[in-house]
Amino acid sequence: DTEVTQTPKHLVMGMTNKKSLKCEQHMGHRAMYWYKQKAKKPPELMFVYSYEKLSINESVPSRFSPECPNSSLLNLHLHALQPEDSALYLCASSQDSAGTGGKLEYFGAGTRLSVL
Amino acid sequence: RKEVEQDPGPFNVPEGATVAFNCTYSNSASQSFFWYRQDCRKEPKLLMSVYSSGNEDGRFTAQLNRASQYISLLIRDSKLSDSATYLCVVNLGPTSGTYKYIFGTGTRLKVLA
Repeated sequence: DTEVTQTPKHLVMGMTNKKSLKCEQHMGHRAMYWYKQKAKKPPELMFVYSYEKLSINESVPSRFSPECPNSSLLNLHLHALQPEDSALYLCASSQDSAGTGGKLEYFGAGTRLSVL
Repeated sequence: RKEVEQDPGPFNVPEGATVAFNCTYSNSASQSFFWYRQDCRKEPKLLMSVYSSGNEDGRFTAQLNRASQYISLLIRDSKLSDSATYLCVVNLGPTSGTYKYIFGTGTRLKVLA
């Protein structure tokens, strides 16, 4: 099963809501990534988990809270978001977190988030 | 200066043409390099890795020039289906024991009938 599954595909939320994005992979990959992509811009790295531990946080505001409950699952908890947080949120995984020859091979289809 | 830069285009080329994109990176310690393709409102898909010796996959050829810190992608015999945004990705090497993959700004290609 060579895929990364993200749910939901679309999400509309108000600025006071709390919601969560989910990402799942069953390829045994030990590194998982969250990226944010605004329209006509490249994906921007948010967080990286390696062996279920947060290893990179790219100075993301605390209204975004990542969680990695197990090696197959990655969540992104959202609270008190702003309209400018509306974007496509992409999850990706790679086999090796820091060995040689790693590559970011698989992306999920993303969650398209609109904050009203 | 951005860590990874590309000409945003668009590159409008006729079917059958050869087109080349460049991507420059600022961190000389960057370890590995990739080209991705992204269709409108879809996720990026890995097109190919880029090796120092250059590598080819069908109509696509990728090159890496470490001395000048750029990578290139050449597409021969362009097809309408090649229309997409092409993103270069640089692995900045281990940070806190993890790879950090940074995307370039992307180059938009339109192949015209």
